[in-house]
Amino acid sequence: AQSVAQPEDQVNVAEGNPLTVKCTYSVSGNPYLFWYVQYPNRGLQFLLKYITGDNLVKGSYGFEAEFNKSQTSFHLKKPSALVSDSALYFCAVRDAMDSSYKLIFGSGTRLLVRP
Amino acid sequence: DTGVSQDPRHKITKRGQNVTFRCDPISEHNRLYWYRQTLGQGPEFLTYFQNEAQLEKSRLLSDRFSAERPKGSFSTLEIQRTEQGDSAMYLCASSLGTSGPSDTQYFGPGTRLTVL
Repeated sequence: AQSVAQPEDQVNVAEGNPLTVKCTYSVSGNPYLFWYVQYPNRGLQFLLKYITGDNLVKGSYGFEAEFNKSQTSFHLKKPSALVSDSALYFCAVRDAMDSSYKLIFGSGTRLLVRP
Repeated sequence: DTGVSQDPRHKITKRGQNVTFRCDPISEHNRLYWYRQTLGQGPEFLTYFQNEAQLEKSRLLSDRFSAERPKGSFSTLEIQRTEQGDSAMYLCASSLGTSGPSDTQYFGPGTRLTVL
């Protein structure tokens, strides 16, 4: 069965410092991996995805994520955090071998960037 | 704004009442998805349409839930005889449908349902 784990409920960083939001996954076949961000009372906003190829994926707003197959991880990173990055971040996976198009989401990580 | 839109944004109803939500996908997106998100959790898949055909339904979609996409454009999600456990954010997403399973799903702002 497919699953996603986001081991940290909350990540706190100071503005200007690098940030990492962790995600690990479990699928039977090859994974398609996604990161979304959710601001209060808003829907999910797409940040980036990994399908195949280069393990480092660059996305919106300066975010990037590194796919690590041996560690089954897809951690979200940003070199320099902004206060406006404070939000709820979700990692999601789809199994390339699965005929379903549904995304399996983690439980989310709240990022708090302090000034 | 040409993103996914949902209506209403908020709905408060009494237990036992029926409610209907509408989703308008991004133009030319032929796949449409419904998810449910409860407080402190990630979205959970409910159902999926390819054009007007409903191709997949989650076990979460009980008999009280029904979804339609009659002309392959907008979709409606109806909940009959609402229960307090139905209180959640209902999210709609759409995707272009040309990239297979690697399609990116774009989400609407959601409809927050509160059942009293």
